[in-house]
Amino acid sequence: GENVEQHPSTLSVQEGDSAVIKCTYSDSASNYFPWYKQELGKRPQLIIDIRSNVGEKKDQRIAVTLNKTAKHFSLHITETQPEDSAVYFCAPNSGYSTLTFGKGTMLLVSP
Amino acid sequence: DTEVTQTPKHLVMGMTNKKSLKCEQHMGHRAMYWYKQKAKKPPELMFVYSYEKLSINESVPSRFSPECPNSSLLNLHLHALQPEDSALYLCASSQHNPSGDTEAFFGQGTRLTVV
Repeated sequence: GENVEQHPSTLSVQEGDSAVIKCTYSDSASNYFPWYKQELGKRPQLIIDIRSNVGEKKDQRIAVTLNKTAKHFSLHITETQPEDSAVYFCAPNSGYSTLTFGKGTMLLVSP
Repeated sequence: DTEVTQTPKHLVMGMTNKKSLKCEQHMGHRAMYWYKQKAKKPPELMFVYSYEKLSINESVPSRFSPECPNSSLLNLHLHALQPEDSALYLCASSQHNPSGDTEAFFGQGTRLTVV
């Protein structure tokens, strides 16, 4: 099965700073690399994803980079805002569309 | 419509009760999932249905019984649960894609408390 490690487990930044969260995985067959944001008491929501035929994808303040050789991908958030505070999960797929979630990173953005 | 709807939102049940969780989607997705999420933990996969057939059971105890009556509905029948089964139960759906690179949409979850 897929082993997923996510770092850091908590990340505190000042508003306007950048935040980077890294995810490593073990299954070389993984080809889909999403990041989910989960606010307290709410459902996980996809914020950005990347597929194995590209190395980087950007959507406004959020970007994801993928290094398939090293088996890791990262979430980059620039110009952080208090509403970015949440738990972020990486969830690479492991065959047949099943997602394996990392342990999560609690991001705290202070005004 | 990109919604996955789960009912009920909250459920309190005794250890001898039988209850069911329901999940519905109208996005034409043919893969549906049940996840369990304990507090401060990631979602853990329980079951996967593909074209209304159970394809993955992650060694879930038999007190949890899934059912997929049609392509839009997914149920989770609960019987003789333990207090440690208290958690947020999340349903998700996605397109059935053999390459596996497809987005999963989550419902808002059912917060289950077993007393």
